[in-house]
Amino acid sequence: DGGITQSPKYLFRKEGQNVTLSCEQNLNHDAMYWYRQDPGQGLRLIYYSQIVNDFQKGDIAEGYSVSREKKESFPLTVTSAQKNPTAFYLCASSIRTGFHEQYFGPGTRLTVT
Amino acid sequence: AQKVTQAQTEISVVEKEDVTLDCVYETRDTTYYLFWYKQPPSGELVFLIRRNSFDEQNEISGRYSWNFQKSTSSFNFTITASQVVDSAVYFCALFNTDKLIFGTGTRLQVFP
Repeated sequence: DGGITQSPKYLFRKEGQNVTLSCEQNLNHDAMYWYRQDPGQGLRLIYYSQIVNDFQKGDIAEGYSVSREKKESFPLTVTSAQKNPTAFYLCASSIRTGFHEQYFGPGTRLTVT
Repeated sequence: AQKVTQAQTEISVVEKEDVTLDCVYETRDTTYYLFWYKQPPSGELVFLIRRNSFDEQNEISGRYSWNFQKSTSSFNFTITASQVVDSAVYFCALFNTDKLIFGTGTRLQVFP
């Protein structure tokens, strides 16, 4: 089945630790995205990548880092510099950047205590 | 400024009722795209529809219909004869320049 996988579904970390969230897609899409969702809010864009070895900051990139070494994979690292990391993180992909519909993974709920 | 407003935070209906979810957007561009996504309790967002700014025709897909009115900057979503499986958070979004701008979502609860 084609789609986007994110693992794990739930993740718990202690404050001060970096943590990496996984996102893999087998849709052969060029573009990939990371969003953050907080209760009662819409999705906010953290980073996006148009193509392998390229990525751009979104609206709330501070305290996060990404890499895009393979077309299928776009991992997100939440660093200790992120002041409020507890949130639901969603990865998405689209055939290209632009107005094309984005397809989402099931999300990772990160809790930092 | 680009913005999407979903004023209805939560709506509760009984099965078989019709329900309309409102979406109002702001943009200065003449070319833009509007989207609706559904987020069921499992968490992933499911794409429902995309509409470009030049196509104001209403669209119907089964029990779902969308009313796009540029004059009022609205892109409302109606579910006819709602079902319990329609319970979810629904997001309206605007694509402008280089990214999707999401509204805050409307939580729809359909009771049997």
